[in-house]
Amino acid sequence: NAGVTQTPKFRVLKTGQSMTLLCAQDMNHEYMYWYRQDPGMGLRLIHYSVGEGTTAKGEVPDGYNVSRLKKQNFLLGLESAAPSQTSVYFCASSRTVNYGYTFGSGTRLTVV
Amino acid sequence: QKEVEQDPGPLSVPEGAIVSLNCTYSNSAFQYFMWYRQYSRKGPELLMYTYSSGNKEDGRFTAQVDKSSKYISLFIRDSQPSDSATYLCAMRGPPLQGAQKLVFGQGTRLTINP
Repeated sequence: NAGVTQTPKFRVLKTGQSMTLLCAQDMNHEYMYWYRQDPGMGLRLIHYSVGEGTTAKGEVPDGYNVSRLKKQNFLLGLESAAPSQTSVYFCASSRTVNYGYTFGSGTRLTVV
Repeated sequence: QKEVEQDPGPLSVPEGAIVSLNCTYSNSAFQYFMWYRQYSRKGPELLMYTYSSGNKEDGRFTAQVDKSSKYISLFIRDSQPSDSATYLCAMRGPPLQGAQKLVFGQGTRLTINP
């Protein structure tokens, strides 16, 4: 049972490049989330999904897009990367609203 | 003002000490309270989950919630070097638009010295 798997684990982008971060969970969870973690800022919610085909904005959605075409996958896209998007990105999932989150191991992204 | 305040530390204590980690919050609607542990270069993992006020114990860990003071604590007894990690508090209110939206504290970096 892999839990929540994030790919890639590390990436360096040039300003203006685009990329997609992939999150996959094998626990049949309905809810999925993308967070970014920055020093002194804690975890901030970017986008989330309450089920297949749904997405919603979180606290810091600007510059990011998401898609949840399949229940097990939640994709985070950066269309035109900026240095301010240098961060560690975590995906999480939960079974229902009454459960805690299961997190992936993170993607370390540097935008130069 | 942040909804959840947590002293980032760092906090360094000797092995075997009792550790107290704390968070304060401002939103009286918060009902569910959690503590996550995050080892270096790893994702957070759920450690404790409590609802409403009171204490919850799990082995060497005790989570305490005081809703009247908007204050939560995590106590670690007989601390071990393997407890060295960043501890994040998290909390949420009633489901909003069908999703539980957790609000996290900044995290406290804890080191247990052998």
